[in-house]
Amino acid sequence: NAGVTQTPKFQVLKTGQSMTLQCAQDMNHEYMSWYRQDPGMGLRLIHYSVGAGITDQGEVPNGYNVSRSTTEDFPLRLLSAAPSQTSVYFCASSARGREQFFGPGTRLTVL
Amino acid sequence: AQKVTQAQTEISVVEKEDVTLDCVYETRDTTYYLFWYKQPPSGELVFLIRRNSFDEQNEISGRYSWNFQKSTSSFNFTITASQVVDSAVYFCALSEVWNAGNMLTFGGGTRLMVKP
Repeated sequence: NAGVTQTPKFQVLKTGQSMTLQCAQDMNHEYMSWYRQDPGMGLRLIHYSVGAGITDQGEVPNGYNVSRSTTEDFPLRLLSAAPSQTSVYFCASSARGREQFFGPGTRLTVL
Repeated sequence: AQKVTQAQTEISVVEKEDVTLDCVYETRDTTYYLFWYKQPPSGELVFLIRRNSFDEQNEISGRYSWNFQKSTSSFNFTITASQVVDSAVYFCALSEVWNAGNMLTFGGGTRLMVKP
């Protein structure tokens, strides 16, 4: 049981490049979400999903896209990377009404 | 809208001291969940506790204890006899029950440094 996995662990992009951060969970959780962590600001919600085929925006969705074609996977796409997207990204999953389990994070730097 | 405030950005203690991390929250909902997570220097987020708004009983787990007071909208976390391994950033978070997907609103975190 791997829990929540994220790839890559580290990534450096140039401004304007696009990329996809991968997230997978093997706990059959309905709910999945993406957060970003910036110094002194805690974690902020980017997008979330309450089941396959259903996604919605969180607090800071601009510049990011998501899709959820399966229960297990919830990739986050950066459409055109900007330096303001330099951050640590965490994916999480949970069962209904329960605590969220977080992946190990992806540290992204945009030059 | 919901909000979580952790006024202490950094706390430094000497090993074996007791330390309390404060968490104050705002919500218009009467039913909600409160959480504490630990983020050690390695960076992962570790779940510590979940408490629902109807359960104001204090909880103790080993050296950790939590004091939930609805009257003051606070959910404070105490570490007794702190150890160097307790050094981490601690986050308090809130989830309103109506909130589809269990989404969390986090406080800014408190960095705890325990010196030997």
